[in-house]
Amino acid sequence: DTGVSQDPRHKITKRGQNVTFRCDPISEHNRLYWYRQTLGQGPEFLTYFQNEAQLEKSRLLSDRFSAERPKGSFSTLEIQRTEQGDSAMYLCASSASMGQITSYEQYFGPGTRLTVT
Amino acid sequence: AQKVTQAQTEISVVEKEDVTLDCVYETRDTTYYLFWYKQPPSGELVFLIRRNSFDEQNEISGRYSWNFQKSTSSFNFTITASQVVDSAVYFCALSEANTNAGKSTFGDGTTLTVKP
Repeated sequence: DTGVSQDPRHKITKRGQNVTFRCDPISEHNRLYWYRQTLGQGPEFLTYFQNEAQLEKSRLLSDRFSAERPKGSFSTLEIQRTEQGDSAMYLCASSASMGQITSYEQYFGPGTRLTVT
Repeated sequence: AQKVTQAQTEISVVEKEDVTLDCVYETRDTTYYLFWYKQPPSGELVFLIRRNSFDEQNEISGRYSWNFQKSTSSFNFTITASQVVDSAVYFCALSEANTNAGKSTFGDGTTLTVKP
């Protein structure tokens, strides 16, 4: 299976703890995105990488959030000092870009469901 | 700023009925891309279709068809002869070309329930 994978699938943590999620994109995709989805809403953009460069961050991404894609392959999203409001599904997606076409469809992973108690 | 509105929160139909999911978008860009995704109960978003702003041809794929109208900023999705397996949340999304990022803005989704 060469789809997008995410780990862990579920994470329960206590308020104030740090958590880290991992995303492995489709191997030939150079773009990687993180989104957050809460119940009854569509995914909200958090941040985006092209290869190893983080090119854009949403204002939703507070200082407690940090993302990396060190070798242009997998990515990690860390949330420090978690709050109950961080409870959500965190989705990773990847896509390809070629030439002047800057927006191909995105392929999503199964998500990591975070519950902060 | 870009925005996507899916006014229908929930739709319920009986199997074999046709159903149309509405999507209205806002953008200042002249070049943009529109998408539909399906999120079944299992949770994973599945890409269905991409449409470029400069191509207003409607598209049909099996029981699925899409009607793109720039004049009304709409990109509606019709399922013909619906089946129980079509039950899912459907999201419409917009991506502006000028951001050169490909990030998508999603609507809040329409939950479709197809009853046997």
